[in-house]
Amino acid sequence: AAGVIQSPRHLIKEKRETATLKCYPIPRHDTVYWYQQGPGQDPQFLISFYEKMQSDKGSIPDRFSAQQFSDYHSELNMSSLELGDSALYFCASSRFTSGTYNEQFFGPGTRLTVL
Amino acid sequence: AQSVTQPDIHITVSEGASLELRCNYSYGATPYLFWYVQSPGQGLQLLLKYFSGDTLVQGIKGFEAEFKRSQSSFNLRKPSVHWSDAAEYFCAVGARRSNDYKLSFGAGTTVTVRA
Repeated sequence: AAGVIQSPRHLIKEKRETATLKCYPIPRHDTVYWYQQGPGQDPQFLISFYEKMQSDKGSIPDRFSAQQFSDYHSELNMSSLELGDSALYFCASSRFTSGTYNEQFFGPGTRLTVL
Repeated sequence: AQSVTQPDIHITVSEGASLELRCNYSYGATPYLFWYVQSPGQGLQLLLKYFSGDTLVQGIKGFEAEFKRSQSSFNLRKPSVHWSDAAEYFCAVGARRSNDYKLSFGAGTTVTVRA
């Protein structure tokens, strides 16, 4: 079965550079979530999109922005990178179904290293 | 908001021995409950989930978890661990609110399996 695709899998950037992470949800999934997992930490929710609109927002820095496109893929844009942004970034997707929990399926993650 | 506590940061268990990982949650009602496993450098794999019904749920890889409302717990168990079970385990909760599907994760428990 098709899974969530994230690209790139690994990314190395310098401080103050920008980075773009991409997420391709499972076909027919309309909702995308982004999580950040710092070294030795639990994943923290950043932001989510449903039908190309932001649906929820967590602890996402103002330096980060994200959007969901017409084909439902999503991009997380990170500017003015800091050392503390080094983390594993997970994308998850789900299909909206009213009245029940919309289970999330996680991608393999993008490991961002900021030097 | 919901929150999750995993009291054990690190557990070491002998191969073939039983394993139990603790998870306590805080939420005004019964949340959606999940256990994920993460091998080093890898993504999150869903082991099992509890939405409603039978409080003992079976998952993949021989894992099971029991929901206890009175204790606000969702402990993960495996009768006989294999060396391949060495990984980090995350308990997660989702709110029972429409339009709020983000997951809140516990800090994780690292499991080491000794021969």
